[in-house]
Amino acid sequence: GESVGLHLPTLSVQEGDNSIINCAYSNSASDYFIWYKQESGKGPQFIIDIRSNMDKRQGQRVTVLLNKTVKHLSLQIAATQPGDSAVYFCAETSHNNDMRFGAGTRLTVKP
Amino acid sequence: DTAVSQTPKYLVTQMGNDKSIKCEQNLGHDTMYWYKQDSKKFLKIMFSYNNKELIINETVPNRFSPKSPDKAHLNLHINSLELGDSAVYFCASSQVGSGRIYHEQFFGPGTRLTVL
Repeated sequence: GESVGLHLPTLSVQEGDNSIINCAYSNSASDYFIWYKQESGKGPQFIIDIRSNMDKRQGQRVTVLLNKTVKHLSLQIAATQPGDSAVYFCAETSHNNDMRFGAGTRLTVKP
Repeated sequence: DTAVSQTPKYLVTQMGNDKSIKCEQNLGHDTMYWYKQDSKKFLKIMFSYNNKELIINETVPNRFSPKSPDKAHLNLHINSLELGDSAVYFCASSQVGSGRIYHEQFFGPGTRLTVL
């Protein structure tokens, strides 16, 4: 399943499928990007980050892709599990150290 | 062990009151932050403190004032509470390297403020 971030804030996928959550950013000077996961009733939790000198970074079951040309960031979750259900935020920061969060995408995993 | 803790977890109060939310981090980080999350889950940074200096101050009402007695604590004081202040407030901390926020921020569990 795939979302377009700000335009489709809800993404529903079947357990075991791969998920893609998208994020568009506007500040071309941003050079550090983070994906956070926020479960219900909890604070955001760091998932993975990427610097602007990279276009891909992999973690455990997660991959972040950065396309600076179109100012687009995506989070791919492999073999999505029920525990992945949460709201996912992208965040960007630039030289003025002002970290800005995207609107968030709610991921729902169906068993 | 709790890395970033906030108290209280829930706060219900009347308009016009003054209240405080406390935040403590035991990570040894040198920078702490306050965020406001509205009902649509939008997160907006309010303040950050680095070594007791305010380094980011978004355009928030001056009714909000951060106070940092030491680098492990950043409390948020709110005067003359208004209905629009109702939100979830998150504290966070990070270790800032070379003057840049390259490192992840660790968030507290949040304080849900309801103004009646």
